[in-house]
Amino acid sequence: DADVTQTPRNRITKTGKRIMLECSQTKGHDRMYWYRQDPGLGLRLIYYSFDVKDINKGEISDGYSVSRQAQAKFSLSLESAIPNQTALYFCATSVEGGYTFGSGTRLTVV
Amino acid sequence: AQSVTQLDSQVPVFEEAPVELRCNYSSSVSVYLFWYVQYPNQGLQLLLKYLSGSTLVKGINGFEAEFNKSQTSFHLRKPSVHISDTAEYFCAVRGPMNYGGSQGNLIFGKGTKLSVKP
Repeated sequence: DADVTQTPRNRITKTGKRIMLECSQTKGHDRMYWYRQDPGLGLRLIYYSFDVKDINKGEISDGYSVSRQAQAKFSLSLESAIPNQTALYFCATSVEGGYTFGSGTRLTVV
Repeated sequence: AQSVTQLDSQVPVFEEAPVELRCNYSSSVSVYLFWYVQYPNQGLQLLLKYLSGSTLVKGINGFEAEFNKSQTSFHLRKPSVHISDTAEYFCAVRGPMNYGGSQGNLIFGKGTKLSVKP
């Protein structure tokens, strides 16, 4: 099993719908992150969490919310999806030595 | 806070030629530097990282990078590329995690698309 698992892998949703992207990890790391990748813009940080009670906004948090249900689970929600949230989303965990990324969720909002 | 600039958005090169992908960073604290590769329709794979020690870092697939503190650069090099190296490459930087706050968050450049032609 992968160290960081993201579900779903692909999702198409309609404008205005609420959608949740899920991330779980088996690394035992406290720190977890959500990034979004857009062509030509690289990866940008949406939210990060240092432990279950410590959640912080990243560079581009507007339109998103997160929930840290347990050390191993970190979910990203789009309360009302819009087309410019179409992107590839990555979850990651980290310790001092480095980051571990999930395989990504490709989200299309139509 | 840290930032990363990848100086070339696209680099076309012929097979077996050398390549250099340029990365500059800025930071008010000590830095750790990374290069990731993303093959078409795939996730991120770590190529190499600089945490401390020797400034010349060797990674997978024959790539290497040199940390130059005076020039705040971390350029990626390969002496002879293959068609299979066609991918997007991301430079990333973070500060020490024990500084607290956002210093330890990984900040990415916008990416460089390497296109290797036969």
